[in-house]
Amino acid sequence: GAVVSQHPSWVICKSGTSVKIECRSLDFQATTMFWYRQFPKQSLMLMATSNEGSKATYEQGVEKDKFLINHASLTLSTLTVTSAHPEDSSFYICSARVGTNTEAFFGQGTRLTVV
Amino acid sequence: AQTVTQSQPEMSVQEAETVTLSCTYDTSESDYYLFWYKQPPSRQMILVIRQEAYKQQNATENRFSVNFQKAAKSFSLKISDSQLGDAAMYFCAYRGRQLTFGSGTQLTVLP
Repeated sequence: GAVVSQHPSWVICKSGTSVKIECRSLDFQATTMFWYRQFPKQSLMLMATSNEGSKATYEQGVEKDKFLINHASLTLSTLTVTSAHPEDSSFYICSARVGTNTEAFFGQGTRLTVV
Repeated sequence: AQTVTQSQPEMSVQEAETVTLSCTYDTSESDYYLFWYKQPPSRQMILVIRQEAYKQQNATENRFSVNFQKAAKSFSLKISDSQLGDAAMYFCAYRGRQLTFGSGTQLTVLP
């Protein structure tokens, strides 16, 4: 299958700072990328969908000003958690897809801890 | 909105035995995909098997097979000859406009 690389794998930041997570499709061009959040022992919750060159579509309840998503190229999407607070601590996972009728491939996830 | 229900939070199976994980979903769409993903302790999501709704034949991938009942909106996963490496959280997922996950089933494989 195709490879999606997510970086960093884990990050610790201070409350009030911002942190950027990168999601790259290494061997294919991803027209659509998805960002999920996963709390311990829970399922993946979709935060937003981004298409290359256009604004991300956020799910209900997700603050778009807090979780900035940029999909500037067909191989890179970034999620920036702005003014992070301890309640933003979670596991964030990205996935990438080509076209509309194919499966999505997942990155390895990023564990964010805000102290 | 589509919903995916996994009614078994935890399951266990003896090594080399067979286990079936349940999944039901609700949708008004006729064309969609269904998936089973595995999430081991590393938390990397791994695709186990996929099923296109228009296909009547149940998908099979080596020791993994599904029982897809479209009318009943049921999509169970059968793992045969269970191995220790199969221990993980298993998520059923529905793909329409977006990918919707069930709540997951934690599978323990007993040696």
